[in-house]
Amino acid sequence: KQEVTQIPAALSVPEGENLVLNCSFTDSAIYNLQWFRQDPGKGLTSLLLIQSSQREQTSGRLNASLDKSSGRSTLYIAASQPGDSATYLCAPLETSGSRLTFGEGTQLTVNP
Amino acid sequence: EPEVTQTPSHQVTQMGQEVILRCVPISNHLYFYWYRQILGQKVEFLVSFYNNEISEKSEIFDDQFSVERPDGSNFTLKIRSTKLEDSAMYFCASKLFGTNTGELFFGEGSRLTVL
Repeated sequence: KQEVTQIPAALSVPEGENLVLNCSFTDSAIYNLQWFRQDPGKGLTSLLLIQSSQREQTSGRLNASLDKSSGRSTLYIAASQPGDSATYLCAPLETSGSRLTFGEGTQLTVNP
Repeated sequence: EPEVTQTPSHQVTQMGQEVILRCVPISNHLYFYWYRQILGQKVEFLVSFYNNEISEKSEIFDDQFSVERPDGSNFTLKIRSTKLEDSAMYFCASKLFGTNTGELFFGEGSRLTVL
């Protein structure tokens, strides 16, 4: 059974800082991995999808890397802004089925 | 930008009552999903649906749950006899391509409170 761990659980940084969020998963047999953002009481907004054959994917100030063999992904956020404050979730898609498995998330606070 | 829409945004019901949560997936998407998130916990997979049948379901998705695509646009989740522990945010999601490619898009969720 896939288990997803996200470290740190919470992070508070001053505006402008570059930061890294970590995600690890136990079953490396995945098709892809998606990073999401969740604002309090809201839905999940897809940020990046990284295929198992890729090592990196970029969108604006966000960069996600994937090391499938070691079961790790990182989300790098450059020049953080207060509007980036949210919970960030990673979710690998297993080859054995159609489900995404989510981590607990990293709750990010960017202070002005 | 196309989006997944869900109704109602919040429903309060008495234990034992039937509830139907509705979703309109993105129009050209072919794969549909329900996930749920109990307050303070992880997002959990419930069921996936393709070509008018269930592709996969989790241990949570027992006989009290059912899904249906009654017409070309709606996708519904029915809970026949709600329990207190069914209180959660229920998210509908859809994707265009098959299981190994394609981004999953989520709706804003329906918050279910069972009293």
